[in-house]
Amino acid sequence: QVQLVQSGSELQKPGASVKVSCKASGYSFTAHSINWLRQAPGQGLEWMGWITTGTGNPTYAQGFTGRFVFSLDTSISTAYLQIDSLKAEDTAVYYCTRDLTTINFDLWGQGTLVTVSS
Amino acid sequence: QSVLTQPPSVSAAPGQKVTISCSGSSSNIGDYFVSWYQQLPGTAPKRLIYDDNKRPSGIPDRFSGSKSGTSATLGITGLQTGDEADYYCATWDGTVSAGVFGGGTKLTVL
Repeated sequence: QVQLVQSGSELQKPGASVKVSCKASGYSFTAHSINWLRQAPGQGLEWMGWITTGTGNPTYAQGFTGRFVFSLDTSISTAYLQIDSLKAEDTAVYYCTRDLTTINFDLWGQGTLVTVSS
Repeated sequence: QSVLTQPPSVSAAPGQKVTISCSGSSSNIGDYFVSWYQQLPGTAPKRLIYDDNKRPSGIPDRFSGSKSGTSATLGITGLQTGDEADYYCATWDGTVSAGVFGGGTKLTVL
């Protein structure tokens, strides 16, 4: 079954780090990039950037540089999003998606809720 | 403030037709393909339309996409209560070299 399965919800304190995983199955993981999107509570979708699964090269959107890190473990077909120095405004649902061409997201993870609260 | 502009909400009666607009510029919609996504309450978004007007397999032909210049439109005919959702347009923007989304449109089927 072709799918992306993300790790479960996280509750973290300000200043901590979190690592969200996105495991792909049912297709060749290195054939398509993985994009990450954020959806703050009650808000729309925001593109964070992508990671090229063949090379591991990440590209970050403005506003997602510095504290945000995309990485891969191709041996287990898994992409990761790490957020360091968490802030309350990082509270959101984070989605990983498969991008077939450019901004053509045909496959989505179920989303991971990250809550940052003291 | 989203790069692509969508109406915050639209509504129509069951069985009727509705269109959702997505306005951009020459650096995004005018130059790149548009995709559309449906997000039912509490779920991950789902792709409805890609490459401006193509439907993935499994998406009913009640859903259609079109584009003219720097604007794109999603059309939904034969509205059903199950179509109540948020709808987003998306594309690439060559000026900022980033993916961009519309702010989303909440569809209410009265």
